[in-house]
Amino acid sequence: DADVTQTPRNRITKTGKRIMLECSQTKGHDRMYWYRQDPGLGLRLIYYSFDVKDINKGEISDGYSVSRQAQAKFSLSLESAIPNQTALYFCATSDLGGSSYNEQFFGPGTRLTVL
Amino acid sequence: QKEVEQDPGPLSVPEGAIVSLNCTYSNSAFQYFMWYRQYSRKGPELLMYTYSSGNKEDGRFTAQVDKSSKYISLFIRDSQPSDSATYLCAMTNTGANSKLTFGKGITLSVRP
Repeated sequence: DADVTQTPRNRITKTGKRIMLECSQTKGHDRMYWYRQDPGLGLRLIYYSFDVKDINKGEISDGYSVSRQAQAKFSLSLESAIPNQTALYFCATSDLGGSSYNEQFFGPGTRLTVL
Repeated sequence: QKEVEQDPGPLSVPEGAIVSLNCTYSNSAFQYFMWYRQYSRKGPELLMYTYSSGNKEDGRFTAQVDKSSKYISLFIRDSQPSDSATYLCAMTNTGANSKLTFGKGITLSVRP
């Protein structure tokens, strides 16, 4: 079974609609992240959470909000979707182990299209 | 200037070729350097990481970091069609609240 799951895997929506992308993990990690990936722009951090009570904006948080419902669940919402939010969205998790390197484990991604 | 620069490619090589992938960076505080591999329609997966300067080898893959030049490389020897993927470099500071900064990624195609 996948350690990091994302739902839905694909979504087509219309401009102005509210949409929620969900992420669940069974790795027991405290840290969770939301990224978007666009051709030519790479992975950009939207929001991240280092524990259930901690939410931080990333590089491109405008137009997005998040909710950390539990250690294992981290949701990304688009309050009013617009076409330039069409992208591939990834959730990731990490744990700060004995060393400080920050291996992140990614989900399979959600392909979102806003018409 | 972006913190991490990576040639976006794409790159196409014949099977068996030696591949060199590179990233440059501007933040001298970066201490950990990673290479992630992403297959089509999948999430990125960590391939290798290196702490500070030096080389690290894992089978056909070698990661090099030159902190004095702010330059990192990934070498793939005897490339295989199964190596066809997007490769992303990533870097982070030390410290409890470090986050990864990614390069844009380069798509590699290894022709049989």
